[in-house]
Amino acid sequence: GIQVEQSPPDLILQEGANSTLRCNFSDSVNNLQWFHQNPWGQLINLFYIPSGTKQNGRLSATTVATERYSLLYISSSQTTDSGVYFCAVVGKYGNKLVFGAGTILRVKS
Amino acid sequence: EPEVTQTPSHQVTQMGQEVILRCVPISNHLYFYWYRQILGQKVEFLVSFYNNEISEKSEIFDDQFSVERPDGSNFTLKIRSTKLEDSAMYFCASSLERLDAQYFGPGTRLTVL
Repeated sequence: GIQVEQSPPDLILQEGANSTLRCNFSDSVNNLQWFHQNPWGQLINLFYIPSGTKQNGRLSATTVATERYSLLYISSSQTTDSGVYFCAVVGKYGNKLVFGAGTILRVKS
Repeated sequence: EPEVTQTPSHQVTQMGQEVILRCVPISNHLYFYWYRQILGQKVEFLVSFYNNEISEKSEIFDDQFSVERPDGSNFTLKIRSTKLEDSAMYFCASSLERLDAQYFGPGTRLTVL
C-alpha cells in the first residue's frame, strides 16, 4: 500500500519562529489532508489539499502531486500551535486515509 | 459549522465485555469511517461504510468488530469481546463524497482492563 513519511519527527521552536513540515508519499494520491492533533487528542482539519496551494491565516500548505510531497508552513508560531501534525492521504484506490507518523511540534514562550 | 459528534468521550470496560461506540456524522454526508489510534502511535483505518454496507475494511477489522447505521443519523462501532490491545482512541469520520475531505469527531477513548 501507499507509504507516507513525515519530517522532521520532532521540532522545537521559539514563539514567533517559522517552520516547514514535510510529507512525502510513495504513489499518486486522490486526497491529501493535514491535521493538527491537540493535547486533548482531537484531530483538527487544517487543509484538504490534493494539489496546489492554500492559506489559512498563519498556516499555508502546498502539495506538488507530480513530485509526491506536501509542505505545511507555520509562520509566527504560537504556543497554541504545539501538538502533533499529521499528513494523511488517500491512494489511487479506495477511500481510506493513510496517516504518516506525525511531527511533534513544541513551541516555547 | 456542522461537526461529527461521538459518545461517550471515555469508556472503561473489562476484558471480554462488549462495547458500542456511537457517532453522529455530519448530516448530509454519505461516507462514514472508523479509525483508531493506540497511544503514541499513528492513526489507523478500520472500516469505511457507504450505502448501508462496508465498502472497505482493514486487517484489524476482524470478526470481533461490526458497524451499523441503525437510523438516519447514528453510526456505531461494536466490539463484541474486548481485548487489552483494543485500548485506543477511536475516531469516527464522515465525508460528503468518496474523495472529499474527511471530518473527524473528537474521539472515544476506550480503556480495556
